Amino acid sequence: SQQGEEDPQALSIQEGENATMNCSYKTSINNLQWYRQNSGRGLVHLILIRSNEREKHSGRLRVTLDTSKKSSSLLITASRAADTASYFCATDAGGNKLVFGAGTILRVKS
Amino acid sequence: EAQVTQNPRYLITVTGKKLTVTCSQNMNHEYMSWYRQDPGLGLRQIYYSMNVEVTDKGDVPEGYKVSRKEKRNFPLILESPSPNQTSLYFCASGPTGGGTDTQYFGPGTRLTVL
Repeated sequence: SQQGEEDPQALSIQEGENATMNCSYKTSINNLQWYRQNSGRGLVHLILIRSNEREKHSGRLRVTLDTSKKSSSLLITASRAADTASYFCATDAGGNKLVFGAGTILRVKS
Repeated sequence: EAQVTQNPRYLITVTGKKLTVTCSQNMNHEYMSWYRQDPGLGLRQIYYSMNVEVTDKGDVPEGYKVSRKEKRNFPLILESPSPNQTSLYFCASGPTGGGTDTQYFGPGTRLTVL
């Protein structure tokens, strides 16, 4: 079952611009995570935000969580060509399972 | 170096020929899991394990088996592979349950079943 759904499916921006990706989910969660995947490679963890947190920062990344709207957003500021990747949100709905969305493909043009 | 390793990285096989994809982690993690990734579907969990000798079905367990005899290893077994199991497979591990902690992913195994 797919819990999180990312939006947009694909995003193309110029280097230096900000990139915003959104994730919506269906059921209550304990926390939400964002991962990055470079083409065909393993996923790399970016940020984990708990259900009692509203915002979290890590370097050029900013994640927000709105549990009332069941949504989260990932903002990458001052994007670089190296940020080109797929980005996935993953939710913990209990039961020791992590459920991933279908992902947003980000392309940063230099 | 802390890592999750998978072998083989690439595998082409034929329908019905049993195969095993190995997964090993060196971080002493309790939790391990297997995912498959298909275009447009994201990652779907196949099986997970909370600890040695404890395994549970994920969302798409049909056609797969797993075992957890040692903490570091979590092999994925396809007893009789079929073409619809052609996919990119990832093993992951984490200190505790899948959603509560960072998960560390292996590099992936690209499987083609003819």
